[in-house]
Amino acid sequence: AQRVTQPEKLLSVFKGAPVELKCNYSYSGSPELFWYVQYSRQRLQLLLRHISRESIKGFTADLNKGETSFHLKKPFAQEEDSAMYYCALSPPGSARQLTFGSGTQLTVLP
Amino acid sequence: GAVVSQHPSRVICKSGTSVKIECRSLDFQATTMFWYRQFPKQSLMLMATSNEGSKATYEQGVEKDKFLINHASLTLSTLTVTSAHPEDSSFYICSARDMSSYNEQFFGPGTRLTVL
Repeated sequence: AQRVTQPEKLLSVFKGAPVELKCNYSYSGSPELFWYVQYSRQRLQLLLRHISRESIKGFTADLNKGETSFHLKKPFAQEEDSAMYYCALSPPGSARQLTFGSGTQLTVLP
Repeated sequence: GAVVSQHPSRVICKSGTSVKIECRSLDFQATTMFWYRQFPKQSLMLMATSNEGSKATYEQGVEKDKFLINHASLTLSTLTVTSAHPEDSSFYICSARDMSSYNEQFFGPGTRLTVL
C-alpha cells in the first residue's frame, strides 16, 4: 500500500528566508505526486503536480525517485505563504485517488 | 478553477439519526467524486470513490452500510451517515474530478458533523 510521510507538523521561517517542506513516499511504481495547500478558512486547492514541472507562487518541487522524495521549496518565503501544506500521491490509472500526507503547517514570520 | 459546493456546511444531530451531505460540481460534470474524512489536526483519509451511475468503491475499513453514497447525476453525489454515533463526528470533505482539467480534483469546503 502507498504511504506519504511529511515529517514536520509545524514549520516556521522568517519572511525572505528559504523554505523547504519535506515529503517522502512509498509506492512500488511510478505514482503521480502533488502538493495541495489550504489557506486559513479556505478549501484545499492544488498547488502543483510533479508531472507539470511548473513553479506556482514561487514554489517548486522535484521528484527524486531514488530518494522517493518530493520536497516543496521556495527561495524567499512570504507571509501570505502561511498555510497548511499536504503532499499527496496518486497511483497511475487510479482515477486520481489521492493518498495524503499528514500535512505541514507553515508559518512565515514577519 | 472549477467550483465544488457542499451542503450543509455544519450539522448537529442526535445519536441514532441519519444525516445526508450533498456534494455538487457547479460548473463542470464529474463522473467521479471522492469522499474524505478528516479528524482534528489530522490528514484527509479517503473513504470512498463515487462513480456516476454505479456503486461506490469503499476503502478498506469503511463500512458501506454505514456511509451510503449515491451518485445519481454528473453533478451531485450524496453521503448519508446512517444511525450516526458520536464517533462519526468529523469533518467530511468531498472532491470532484474534472476530466476537462487534466483530471484535477476540486475540493468542497467540507461539512462539520457533530453527533450528540
